[in-house]
Amino acid sequence: GEDVEQSLFLSVREGDSSVINCTYTDSSSTYLYWYKQEPGAGLQLLTYIFSNMDMKQDQRLTVLLNKKDKHLSLRIADTQTGDSAIYFCAESMRTGFQKLVFGTGTRLLVSP
Amino acid sequence: GAVVSQHPSRVICKSGTSVKIECRSLDFQATTMFWYRQFPKKSLMLMATSNEGSKATYEQGVEKDKFLINHASLTLSTLTVTSAHPEDSSFYICSANEGTGGGNTFGSGTRLTVV
Repeated sequence: GEDVEQSLFLSVREGDSSVINCTYTDSSSTYLYWYKQEPGAGLQLLTYIFSNMDMKQDQRLTVLLNKKDKHLSLRIADTQTGDSAIYFCAESMRTGFQKLVFGTGTRLLVSP
Repeated sequence: GAVVSQHPSRVICKSGTSVKIECRSLDFQATTMFWYRQFPKKSLMLMATSNEGSKATYEQGVEKDKFLINHASLTLSTLTVTSAHPEDSSFYICSANEGTGGGNTFGSGTRLTVV
């Protein structure tokens, strides 16, 4: 079955870049996503990448996809304290792009 | 952009009672919605796929008689936790997709506490 792994915790200083990594197992995924969750809140879609792309940049966010290694990363440039949250990667399931399998989540802590 | 509204955001109920959670797509129609459960400091676990006008599809290990899903219209899906017990306490989140492949939109979640 599908399995999506992330490192549990990342701590950076304000102004630095953050890189959050994710590995997945389903090579037939159509889309891969990054979501942000603040305490007690739902999930906010940050960005997504289609599986035939290698990179996508959206303002401070850069997504890199290495399909051969099944590795996805999210780089946040100039990280701010407001970026502190839990970040989930997700892949669409083989049965349809709407059905998602989520990673274990990475808690990002940004210190002043 | 697409907006999904989920209510209530927080509910406390007594053990043995039932609780209904609503998920609405506000500016688009959703033939399919998804219900997730999130345990503290854990990832989201897909519970079921809600299909408009037909029965929901439950993931393995999820009791369909305990978690009743109704998707009576293209903009509303409800999850009813029946005969709730303390172990049902959790964060429940719904999501829907416009169908463009641009990612699911999530509701703000419902914190259920069963006492």
